[in-house]
Amino acid sequence: SQTIHQWPATLVQPVGSPLSLECTVEGTSNPNLYWYRQAAGRGLQLLFYSVGIGQISSEVPQNLSASRPQDRQFILSSKKLLLSDSGFYLCAWSGPNEKLFFGSGTQLSVL
Amino acid sequence: RKEVEQDPGPFNVPEGATVAFNCTYSNSASQSFFWYRQDCRKEPKLLMSVYSSGNEDGRFTAQLNRASQYISLLIRDSKLSDSATYLCVVVSGGSYIPTFGRGTSLIVHP
Repeated sequence: SQTIHQWPATLVQPVGSPLSLECTVEGTSNPNLYWYRQAAGRGLQLLFYSVGIGQISSEVPQNLSASRPQDRQFILSSKKLLLSDSGFYLCAWSGPNEKLFFGSGTQLSVL
Repeated sequence: RKEVEQDPGPFNVPEGATVAFNCTYSNSASQSFFWYRQDCRKEPKLLMSVYSSGNEDGRFTAQLNRASQYISLLIRDSKLSDSATYLCVVVSGGSYIPTFGRGTSLIVHP
């Protein structure tokens, strides 16, 4: 069966520090991969999605970036975090049936 | 107009009640529809897909109205454990991008 792993679960970072969140999927090949962010009390905002290795589409211009170095690995990065980057970050994958399956999320607090 | 709209609620209902949520979408090319459930500070989890003919899973019934561009979720015999936020998701034809509504909050009380 397919599983998705996302870490860390919580992260507290100072403003201006770098960020790297990693997500890996097991049990499937060539998944579509997604990074979402959810601010407190708000809906899910799509940040990036990828349909293949090295293929990244950005939905919202900001100081974040994403990479897909391997088929089932998706990384969210930032060189310098802003206060506004705080939120709940969710990685997800989907297959041909378009159903999304989420990782357990990372609660990021930028102080 | 937002692509996917939901009444944020909260819907406050007693145990055993029947409650229904609607979700409207703006893109007539939308072809796949889902309901997700999200508990506080947790990831969303797939509740059910929504098919054109309507579908049922236990106490949950989902329906699609393409003409009016909305989907609905009906929960019968509400349980305390049904308390959560219910997210509507729409995927447009030819797109890899699922669009989420902001969610409807349900609180089931004793």
